[in-house]
Amino acid sequence: NAGVTQTPKFQVLKTGQSMTLQCAQDMNHEYMSWYRQDPGMGLRLIHYSVGAGITDQGEVPNGYNVSRSTTEDFPLRLLSAAPSQTSVYFCASSRPPGQLAFFGQGTRLTVV
Amino acid sequence: TQLLEQSPQFLSIQEGENLTVYCNSSSVFSSLQWYRQEPGEGPVLLVTVVTGGEVKKLKRLTFQFGDARKDSSLHITAAQPGDTGLYLCAGASPSGYSTLTFGKGTMLLVSP
Repeated sequence: NAGVTQTPKFQVLKTGQSMTLQCAQDMNHEYMSWYRQDPGMGLRLIHYSVGAGITDQGEVPNGYNVSRSTTEDFPLRLLSAAPSQTSVYFCASSRPPGQLAFFGQGTRLTVV
Repeated sequence: TQLLEQSPQFLSIQEGENLTVYCNSSSVFSSLQWYRQEPGEGPVLLVTVVTGGEVKKLKRLTFQFGDARKDSSLHITAAQPGDTGLYLCAGASPSGYSTLTFGKGTMLLVSP
């Protein structure tokens, strides 16, 4: 039972580079979301999706893009990485309306 | 914006002691969930409480949802080193497709 799979687990980027964090779930959940976790800040919502083709912004969306072409996948794109985006990123999926979230293992991103 | 305040932020106790972690808000939530996160891993759902005044028990862990559905507590009896981790509460808003609002977490260290 894979659940929510995130790749890569670790990544180092140079300022200005772009990259995509991958997230896939095999539970047929409609609801998927991306969070970042920073020391002392807890988990903050970046973007979320309530179904294929539907996305919306969370609390801290600037500098990130998402798309949801399938139920299974919800990639997060960093357009031009900045040191302020150094964080641990978690993808989660759940049934509507967003309760009982299952999290991936996270991607630790460092921007230098 | 809905906020969840968790207290205490840090807790260091000896094996066998009891403890309570609190999660408070001025907002009403349709449900409240508790997660535990271990280093290098994503949060794992422990329990969800839905009804005001609800009490749920999970072995040595007791979860309570406030009557007004604005607050919750987690009580651990006879803590063990395996209980060590970051405990997060998260609330789901009552309206429509809800996102989860997370508290900043309580870091628990249980020493043998």
